[in-house]
Amino acid sequence: GAVVSQHPSRVICKSGTSVKIECRSLDFQATTMFWYRQFPKQSLMLMATSNEGSKATYEQGVEKDKFLINHASLTLSTLTVTSAHPEDSSFYICSAIRDRGKQPQHFGDGTRLSIL
Amino acid sequence: GQQVMQIPQYQHVQEGEDFTTYCNSSTTLSNIQWYKQRPGGHPVFLIQLVKSGEVKKQKRLTFQFGEAKKNSSLHITATQTTDVGTYFCAGPSNTGKLIFGQGTTLQVKP
Repeated sequence: GAVVSQHPSRVICKSGTSVKIECRSLDFQATTMFWYRQFPKQSLMLMATSNEGSKATYEQGVEKDKFLINHASLTLSTLTVTSAHPEDSSFYICSAIRDRGKQPQHFGDGTRLSIL
Repeated sequence: GQQVMQIPQYQHVQEGEDFTTYCNSSTTLSNIQWYKQRPGGHPVFLIQLVKSGEVKKQKRLTFQFGEAKKNSSLHITATQTTDVGTYFCAGPSNTGKLIFGQGTTLQVKP
């Protein structure tokens, strides 16, 4: 089945650090990748949609200068949390779809980010 | 905007009891998907329903898609401790992104 790899799985760092999270589709070309954020005991909140070769589409209330997304190839999207603060601590999950508009989404393992 | 509501939020059952979670969309859906997230894990795709009135089974799990394609349910027969987790339904918006329900967290007492 489709596999999406997300790295790193856990990050603990000091406030003010920028953190980069990678999301790779291992066995298919992902035209679209999604970045979600999930707080404890809550549902997934879509942050942005990342399309290969174009700018990401951010959801309302998500700061694009804070959460930089790059989708440079059909198998890799990155999310960089710039100048992270404790309130940015969360579980970040990426997902990918094979063809735009076709579901389902295949999720990465998630990255647990803790900012001290 | 489009919303997907899911109930109940939590369900505690004794092992062997049945469990059902319900999903309602504010708009008609082209399809509905179900995901399971184990504690500490990531969502894993379970199934996609496309047709009005569709019913699909996966062992002890039965998924239904309503006739109006606005609601869905997941029923687990004779729950086991391995069924523990949060079950999410999700429907695509008209822009293609998935709208997730709030999830139903299932706890199973052995």
